[in-house]
Amino acid sequence: AQSVTQLDSQVPVFEEAPVELRCNYSSSVSVYLFWYVQYPNQGLQLLLKYLSGSTLVKGINGFEAEFNKSQTSFHLRKPSVHISDTAEYFCAVSLGSFGNEKLTFGTGTRLTIIP
Amino acid sequence: GAGVSQSPRYKVAKRGQDVALRCDPISGHVSLFWYQQALGQGPEFLTYFQNEAQLDKSGLPSDRFFAERPEGSVSTLKIQRTQQEDSAVYLCASSLGAGNTGELFFGEGSRLTVL
Repeated sequence: AQSVTQLDSQVPVFEEAPVELRCNYSSSVSVYLFWYVQYPNQGLQLLLKYLSGSTLVKGINGFEAEFNKSQTSFHLRKPSVHISDTAEYFCAVSLGSFGNEKLTFGTGTRLTIIP
Repeated sequence: GAGVSQSPRYKVAKRGQDVALRCDPISGHVSLFWYQQALGQGPEFLTYFQNEAQLDKSGLPSDRFFAERPEGSVSTLKIQRTQQEDSAVYLCASSLGAGNTGELFFGEGSRLTVL
């Protein structure tokens, strides 16, 4: 079975500073990787995904993530954060390549932007 | 509507009451998922439908939880004899189906509080 670890439960960052949110996964087979964002009182929204191909994927709102197979990581980065990026961020995996869309989520990282 | 719609958004139940949570997926989406999100945690998988067929119910925590999607569109999650540990946000998600983009589209959730 696959699993996801988000080691940082909370990350405070000053506005316009860079940020990296860490995600590591465990799986014995190839997985699809996702980052979702949850703004207060809203549903989960897809930020970006890795299915195959280029290991650097770009998403909405200036976020990007890099798939590293040898380190089983999929860290999320943004070079300059804005107040509006304050939210909960979830990393997730699926066995989509095997026709199984079920997502397994990490416990989330709360990103707080300091003005 | 254009997105996944869930109702009610908020439900308060007395311990022992039965509750029913409704999910209206995006039109034409084949797959439908239910997740449970406890406070401060990531979403946990409950069950999965492909059209009207319930293909995976491995995440349902007890036989008090029951889900259906009789016509392959709207789904209902029913919880019988609610307990305090059932308090959580219940998320519904839909997708085009396996072999497509891999993305799940989430509703805003139904927040259940059991007193």
